[in-house]
Amino acid sequence: GAVVSQHPSRVICKSGTSVKIECRSLDFQATTMFWYRQFPKQSLMLMATSNEGSKATYEQGVEKDKFLINHASLTLSTLTVTSAHPEDSSFYICSPSQVGGYGYTFGSGTRLTVV
Amino acid sequence: DAKTTQPPSMDCAEGRAANLPCNHSTISGNEYVYWYRQIHSQGPQYIIHGLKNNETNEMASLIITEDRKSSTLILPHATLRDTAVYYCIVSKIQGGSEKLVFGKGMKLTVNP
Repeated sequence: GAVVSQHPSRVICKSGTSVKIECRSLDFQATTMFWYRQFPKQSLMLMATSNEGSKATYEQGVEKDKFLINHASLTLSTLTVTSAHPEDSSFYICSPSQVGGYGYTFGSGTRLTVV
Repeated sequence: DAKTTQPPSMDCAEGRAANLPCNHSTISGNEYVYWYRQIHSQGPQYIIHGLKNNETNEMASLIITEDRKSSTLILPHATLRDTAVYYCIVSKIQGGSEKLVFGKGMKLTVNP
């Protein structure tokens, strides 16, 4: 159980364009979705938390208008990086969560490179 | 901020047991100890978690001290594929809306 599908696994985009990352929980309902990013040689940093049907809560320093999160269903959440810049290049990881069981699962990550 | 401290790195010989320590001296009574690992360019992988009692699964064993201020993750027979960054994390409940705060983790290198 607790299968998570995140795609794309790797994307290269031009500066100024937008990129959408999808995260699906395939065999459970994710009441909460966490989005992390990880810069090279650093740990995972939480960007935002969203509950199904509600607006996301962003961590300090994360621009909510730049990183748009949609969590419209219990099995799908998306992160859209708008007007991407090279400094947004990073490894983005989703983590759907449900109460009980292991609780925390993670997607395989998306490597975003903005050129 | 992360509530755990781990040594930055550790080496282990293939086939030997790897004992990964973690300090969590400020852990609360209702907080679990979770262990995850991250192999390069992949998402974190769940290993094991526990509250007070020692736990064992097909991947590892978790030994939690009686005062719960520290724990040790044991990989009984380390393989080259166990080379990864290991994260020890404390969290109040099993999932739900309680976020996981990752520290710097510990890089385990298993040598042939």
